[in-house]
Amino acid sequence: NAGVTQTPKFRILKIGQSMTLQCAQDMNHNYMYWYRQDPGMGLKLIYYSVGAGITDKGEVPNGYNVSRSTTEDFPLRLELAAPSQTSVYFCASSSRDNYGYTFGSGTRLTVV
Amino acid sequence: KQEVTQIPAALSVPEGENLVLNCSFTDSAIYNLQWFRQDPGKGLTSLLLIQSSQREQTSGRLNASLDKSSGRSTLYIAASQPGDSATYLCAVGNQAGTALIFGKGTTLSVSS
Repeated sequence: NAGVTQTPKFRILKIGQSMTLQCAQDMNHNYMYWYRQDPGMGLKLIYYSVGAGITDKGEVPNGYNVSRSTTEDFPLRLELAAPSQTSVYFCASSSRDNYGYTFGSGTRLTVV
Repeated sequence: KQEVTQIPAALSVPEGENLVLNCSFTDSAIYNLQWFRQDPGKGLTSLLLIQSSQREQTSGRLNASLDKSSGRSTLYIAASQPGDSATYLCAVGNQAGTALIFGKGTTLSVSS
């Protein structure tokens, strides 16, 4: 099925550990995004990319890194996990005009 | 800085009622506006996208309007059903090729 695939769906990390959240889309969208969603809050943008090799910071980039080596993949790296990074992470992709804005099903991350 | 506000935060209605969800934004110079639906534990699904030059968009029982000058959008749901129960999020695109800015959402509960 066409869309955005995120892995893993759930993960528990210990403080100080690192991990990579995977995101892949098969719609040939140039634009990809990482958001985090905390309870009762809207989605906050972490990083985004307008094409392979191009990434930029969003509203809450501290503690995260991204790369975009292909159009399809946009992994999010957490270094030195902290309890404040406990959240649900969503990856999304779209066309330049925001048409076809498609979200993955999310990764629920807990840092203990 | 663009800010998006959704009121009310939660709404409960009996089945069959028509209802309106409200969204306001602080900077009227937007590129487009989208309404999304989020079911518990799931990702977001795009419902309607309104370009800045448009006044409204319709899909089935849903109608979204946009008044840029007043910084407001409404999502009208006709003849509500229990299956409409979800969180509805409004998101604004400030420019082409930029990430959406989200409100915190309105959680709708439709009772049978």
